[in-house]
Amino acid sequence: KAGVTQTPRYLIKTRGQQVTLSCSPISGHRSVSWYQQTPGQGLQFLFEYFSETQRNKGNFPGRFSGRQFSNSRSEMNVSTLELGDSALYLCASSTGPGGKNIQYFGAGTRLSVL
Amino acid sequence: GQSLEQPSEVTAVEGAIVQINCTYQTSGFYGLSWYQQHDGGAPTFLSYNALDGLEETGRFSSFLSRSDSYGYLLLQELQMKDSASYFCAVRSYQDSNYQLIWGAGTKLIIKP
Repeated sequence: KAGVTQTPRYLIKTRGQQVTLSCSPISGHRSVSWYQQTPGQGLQFLFEYFSETQRNKGNFPGRFSGRQFSNSRSEMNVSTLELGDSALYLCASSTGPGGKNIQYFGAGTRLSVL
Repeated sequence: GQSLEQPSEVTAVEGAIVQINCTYQTSGFYGLSWYQQHDGGAPTFLSYNALDGLEETGRFSSFLSRSDSYGYLLLQELQMKDSASYFCAVRSYQDSNYQLIWGAGTKLIIKP
């Protein structure tokens, strides 16, 4: 079974630009969560989607948005990029919010904002 | 608010035993999970406790005490490859939704 796939792996953007990151979950998984990770900051929760609906949202500005498609693939968009948005963005899939809700993470997209 | 606390860094010697603690304050509790993340890698699931007591998986064990809002991850026979960051996460319930609340992570440094 293929794991969680995130594209692209690396991205360099300049301030003010926007970016879209993609995540393909494990086959059969209907829940996708997004996290931002910066050195020493742990995992900051962005949002969670389940069956195309946003179920939870972290404390991030409205510049961060996401969506989930009918095939469970998800995209995350960041508009008007700021230097502080430079981070590793991780996507995780799970079967759903019930049970153990084990998160299976992708390798991440490393975003650098210049 | 909801929060989890774990030490930022723990140092241990190869072959020894180390315990990483996690205390939580959440609205509703449905389980405590542990994840391991090596530098440059993605977090991977280690263990899950929903009930009080010890869960053992090879060299790793995880303990939960719901009355104390406390859990820990125990690593035995430490190996250099165990050098990584370890995150605890609590599954809670708020605003009609299950949520996963994450700790800030504990960096485990192993010395030969």
